[in-house]
Amino acid sequence: AQKVTQAQTEISVVEKEDVTLDCVYETRDTTYYLFWYKQPPSGELVFLIRRNSFDEQNEISGRYSWNFQKSTSSFNFTITASQVVDSAVYFCALSEANFGNEKLTFGTGTRLTIIP
Amino acid sequence: SQTIHQWPATLVQPVGSPLSLECTVEGTSNPNLYWYRQAAGRGLQLLFYSVGIGQISSEVPQNLSASRPQDRQFILSSKKLLLSDSGFYLCAWSTGLTDTQYFGPGTRLTVL
Repeated sequence: AQKVTQAQTEISVVEKEDVTLDCVYETRDTTYYLFWYKQPPSGELVFLIRRNSFDEQNEISGRYSWNFQKSTSSFNFTITASQVVDSAVYFCALSEANFGNEKLTFGTGTRLTIIP
Repeated sequence: SQTIHQWPATLVQPVGSPLSLECTVEGTSNPNLYWYRQAAGRGLQLLFYSVGIGQISSEVPQNLSASRPQDRQFILSSKKLLLSDSGFYLCAWSTGLTDTQYFGPGTRLTVL
């Protein structure tokens, strides 16, 4: 069965520091998809990134970057030069390509607080 | 562009009362639709998903039900609410089951 673990329940950093959110996943499938979502205090989940299992290239989008390593089953998320607006709960999620098991499985989330 | 709406935004209901939450999607056709619940301080739990009109898959047995009367409308219902039904309910849509899911603004339900 698929599983996503976000071991960091809460993280607090001072503004402008870099911070990395960890995500470790378990799957038996060779084809799968990994996601990160941001949930600000308003509650709506905001999509950040989708990555398939065959693309291990790291991705950078502005201050955000993602490190996908199949060898360690990890898909970590780094925010560079953090800002107060980055304060939110961040969820990592996984879906498999196997028919009947495509549902999205979420980790328990990491609450990130950026201290001004 | 596609947008997803949920209403009401907040709801306070007594135990034993009925429930109806609505979700609609604009700007796409034949989407997959999903209902999630997020209990306070916890992760997301998939409740139902639908790949087409009248097609509902239930992930967790409970006193909730879902219906999809129209292509872009997804309704979450209950005949009698329990205290444990309190939470934040999120609707989402995607083009395929492994595609990105896009979430609505959510409904915060408090059962007293």
